[in-house]
Amino acid sequence: GQNIDQPTEMTATEGAIVQINCTYQTSGFNGLFWYQQHAGEAPTFLSYNVLDGLEEKGRFSSFLSRSKGYSYLLLKELQMKDSASYLCAVRDGSSNTGKLIFGQGTTLQVKP
Amino acid sequence: DVKVTQSSRYLVKRTGEKVFLECVQDMDHENMFWYRQDPGLGLRLIYFSYDVKMKEKGDIPEGYSVSREKKERFSLILESASTNQTSMYLCASRSNGARGWYGYTFGSGTRLTVV
Repeated sequence: GQNIDQPTEMTATEGAIVQINCTYQTSGFNGLFWYQQHAGEAPTFLSYNVLDGLEEKGRFSSFLSRSKGYSYLLLKELQMKDSASYLCAVRDGSSNTGKLIFGQGTTLQVKP
Repeated sequence: DVKVTQSSRYLVKRTGEKVFLECVQDMDHENMFWYRQDPGLGLRLIYFSYDVKMKEKGDIPEGYSVSREKKERFSLILESASTNQTSMYLCASRSNGARGWYGYTFGSGTRLTVV
């Protein structure tokens, strides 16, 4: 079956570092995405990993280990505007339509 | 920038009504998707389409149908709305081209309440 797990909620302090984990078990794999979603808004693309290792983009980094079925999103120098839900999604490798399978999302609250 | 537009942000309908949710994208994308988003369940795929007049069921198609008569427009239809279809509905599109790995572009969502 298809299963993607991430913590439901996390809290962190402004200026700190937070790591959001995602584990997956899917029948096919063709890449892993992280999206950010502010309350009442559309999800927006943050990062994409298809090979093992770390991808860095400014304050955000994403890591992938395909053998472990594991990814994390690292947010540095947290700002209040980073309070949002973070969605982990795996691209279904069994078809060429690029279907994404989503986890339930992690709601991050950044406190002053 | 790719734009995906959903016709309504908020919608209230009565049980048994036929409901149309419209989605339009302006970048000639081949693939379009309808998801619903519920607390604790994340985004679940209802239907998707990989070309005009083509459609495939997602994970939770029951109670829904779709229409794709033109490439830019993908409609989700609730034939007879029920209270358990109260949810946030998100439309997304993506290209089959080389930039497809960027994933989806989402619309702003339609929050549907069925009373």
